[in-house]
Amino acid sequence: QKEVEQNSGPLSVPEGAIASLNCTYSDRGSQSFFWYRQYSGKSPELIMSIYSNGDKEDGRFTAQLNKASQYVSLLIRDSQPSDSATYLCAVEDQGGKLIFGQGTELSVKP
Amino acid sequence: DADVTQTPRNRITKTGKRIMLECSQTKGHDRMYWYRQDPGLGLRLIYYSFDVKDINKGEISDGYSVSRQAQAKFSLSLESAIPNQTALYFCATSDQDRNTGELFFGEGSRLTVL
Repeated sequence: QKEVEQNSGPLSVPEGAIASLNCTYSDRGSQSFFWYRQYSGKSPELIMSIYSNGDKEDGRFTAQLNKASQYVSLLIRDSQPSDSATYLCAVEDQGGKLIFGQGTELSVKP
Repeated sequence: DADVTQTPRNRITKTGKRIMLECSQTKGHDRMYWYRQDPGLGLRLIYYSFDVKDINKGEISDGYSVSRQAQAKFSLSLESAIPNQTALYFCATSDQDRNTGELFFGEGSRLTVL
């Protein structure tokens, strides 16, 4: 079983809707969690990090963490066509390196 | 110029050939990584180095080797390439002191093994 799991999608939402991306992880000792966005043909870029249980908001993005359930999510409000990309969940392991999920492809339709 | 530079950007080679992918960075970061990306599999860690004298295997190191020639340079070698090593390869760096978990990626090297 992969250590970090995501639904591969594709996830399709209409413009203006909320996109919900989910991620589960297996290492209960993990403390740091990240969401990266990767546009087609480009390299990944960090968009959110979260370290404590609860919600963290940054503009239209909200990251949610539940360590008891080993679950991380990313909500994108008022989704725009420019949000169409692959979203990668990453978890820092106890060796200090990032383990990535397989990514969820998001398509926002005008 | 990009902070993390990978060469070559694209390479087509034949089975059995030796291939080297090079990565150089101007960010001054101690930590460097090589990841491989395949459709539907996300990014998988091949090797990583937390400083010049530190080299560690990642989750899929078989068939690969690395060299950390300097703080700024980290090379990935395929001694005898095989078709299932066809993939997009990313080099990345991170700042140990800040430890925010942010990786800075190069633009990727697309390798095709025929």
